[in-house]
Amino acid sequence: NAGVTQTPKFRILKIGQSMTLQCAQDMNHNYMYWYRQDPGMGLKLIYYSVGAGITDKGEVPNGYNVSRSTTEDFPLRLELAAPSQTSVYFCASSHRVAVSSYNEQFFGPGTRLTVL
Amino acid sequence: GENVEQHPSTLSVQEGDSAVIKCTYSDSASNYFPWYKQELGKRPQLIIDIRSNVGEKKDQRIAVTLNKTAKHFSLHITETQPEDSAVYFCAAIPTSGTYKYIFGTGTRLKVLA
Repeated sequence: NAGVTQTPKFRILKIGQSMTLQCAQDMNHNYMYWYRQDPGMGLKLIYYSVGAGITDKGEVPNGYNVSRSTTEDFPLRLELAAPSQTSVYFCASSHRVAVSSYNEQFFGPGTRLTVL
Repeated sequence: GENVEQHPSTLSVQEGDSAVIKCTYSDSASNYFPWYKQELGKRPQLIIDIRSNVGEKKDQRIAVTLNKTAKHFSLHITETQPEDSAVYFCAAIPTSGTYKYIFGTGTRLKVLA
């Protein structure tokens, strides 16, 4: 298994440009998440999904959009990039089989985004 | 809403000494408490976790303890080594209908040789 993969690894955007960060997992996990991590800081949840066709906002969703058309893929769309979106973006996935059951989140390698 | 406080934010120890990081959570219904290690420039990776029906769990030099009454849990690293230097994040997962992991703010551990 490749686990959680993300592309690209690095990207530089100009202010106002748009881009899509790709995330895929091959573990058949139902839950997927997008986080951003600013330098020296913790993880902030942007969006998450509990299954194909279902997405919800996290704590910092403004300026981003997501979709979940398949179990495997969870792309993150940045519209009208701003310098405040300069960050490292991590995608993660986990599997939940019961209401009271939680399991490890597996993280992708991250995408380092700079907006100039 | 749910909240996880993590202390200290930075911790320096001499090689061979022990390190302890503490987290406090707000939702008494939380039942899963993982610890992640993030090395510089790398992704967070799970190092140990504990569920609410267990008070302590050990894995070689790493242990986690859980006090449900006080709503806090701690990571203990014994015989620290330079490769233990990293940022450590705790998390708590509430069972109140949310599917989100609530992460602590992280502890930067430096092991001095």
